[in-house]
Amino acid sequence: EAQVTQNPRYLITVTGKKLTVTCSQNMNHEYMSWYRQDPGLGLRQIYYSMNVEVTDKGDVPEGYKVSRKEKRNFPLILESPSPNQTSLYFCASSSKGRAGDSPLHFGNGTRLTVT
Amino acid sequence: AQRVTQPEKLLSVFKGAPVELKCNYSYSGSPELFWYVQYSRQRLQLLLRHISRESIKGFTADLNKGETSFHLKKPFAQEEDSAMYYCALTSRNTGKLIFGQGTTLQVKP
Repeated sequence: EAQVTQNPRYLITVTGKKLTVTCSQNMNHEYMSWYRQDPGLGLRQIYYSMNVEVTDKGDVPEGYKVSRKEKRNFPLILESPSPNQTSLYFCASSSKGRAGDSPLHFGNGTRLTVT
Repeated sequence: AQRVTQPEKLLSVFKGAPVELKCNYSYSGSPELFWYVQYSRQRLQLLLRHISRESIKGFTADLNKGETSFHLKKPFAQEEDSAMYYCALTSRNTGKLIFGQGTTLQVKP
């Protein structure tokens, strides 16, 4: 089944403990991106990638890192998580290299709690 | 600054009533606007985009550059329309995508 898969679905961690949220798509999509969803703030873009080895900052990149070493994977790395990064995170991909050229396919979300 | 504003956090209507979910944007270039929807227990998905000028599930949205708006409309709401709706903006040659705060549409029987 064509889809975007995020892992884990739920994660509780402590301040400062490095973590990685994985995102994988099996549709050979060019574009991938990460968002966080917070009440009253909607979805905010963290990072995006228009192709392999190409990544750019979204609106809220502070405290996050990403890499795009291969087309299918786009992990989100929190080197030193803090409580203000507690949120619901979504990964998305689309077939073409820009955000608007084709529909975004979203993952199921990862609920992260940092204590 | 680029911004998308959805002024209503919650919109509650009765079945059969008209619906209008508001979206206003601030952007200096040529924007491309979208509506995304998240039904209960489903993934966020594209509903429609202004370039396509199509009607999906009875919903339409017209880009009004003069008023910088992209309101989503449906003449007769159905219970299955109950969901969270997000307006989003991007532009050519960029991977940036800006979402609004979202509006929960509740259609009562």
